[in-house]
Amino acid sequence: AQKITQTQPGMFVQEKEAVTLDCTYDTSDPSYGLFWYKQPSSGEMIFLIYQGSYDQQNATEGRYSLNFQKARKSANLVISASQLGDSAMYFCAMREGAPGNQFYFGTGTSLTVIP
Amino acid sequence: GAVVSQHPSWVICKSGTSVKIECRSLDFQATTMFWYRQFPKQSLMLMATSNEGSKATYEQGVEKDKFLINHASLTLSTLTVTSAHPEDSSFYICSARDPRGTDTQYFGPGTRLTVL
Repeated sequence: AQKITQTQPGMFVQEKEAVTLDCTYDTSDPSYGLFWYKQPSSGEMIFLIYQGSYDQQNATEGRYSLNFQKARKSANLVISASQLGDSAMYFCAMREGAPGNQFYFGTGTSLTVIP
Repeated sequence: GAVVSQHPSWVICKSGTSVKIECRSLDFQATTMFWYRQFPKQSLMLMATSNEGSKATYEQGVEKDKFLINHASLTLSTLTVTSAHPEDSSFYICSARDPRGTDTQYFGPGTRLTVL
């Protein structure tokens, strides 16, 4: 089974609107971390936000928030007030178990912001 | 966030030559670094985990004699593609694990390798 599933290959959003990028994960380890990265066309992977499995509250970082639903094993990324510069690939990733373990990445979602 | 550099950002080489790619953590010590390969419009594929002072751990299917990894210090890991062939052409990207806080991996800007 896939550790990380991103079911939206491509998404479009109007500038200034909010958008949700879906991510579900599969693990039986009670300790894990969930990460979102942005990859613009330049190729660099930019860290956006982190959610720990024991965190009680949803993570937020500026316009990014993570809708963490533990029972459903989902960790959706919400981008508020979309900007043209948000157009990029977005990858969800999970580290399960101990710190230092490898990350598992999803297949990514291509987001296009329409002016 | 933490800063990771990667050099060179792109390289073109002839078939049969070797290419070295450097990955540096600039503002933190990284005991663990990771090397990935990414094909166009695909996700990252983990090639190996590099631990400072020990041998790298390669993923299944990755030839360790072809992709030599050296993690000689807490801020530097290198990937050498030996006897490169056109099928090795790809985007190679490294990450460094920041042990402080949330154990996030921070990525370098990547290296685009083209083998002629």
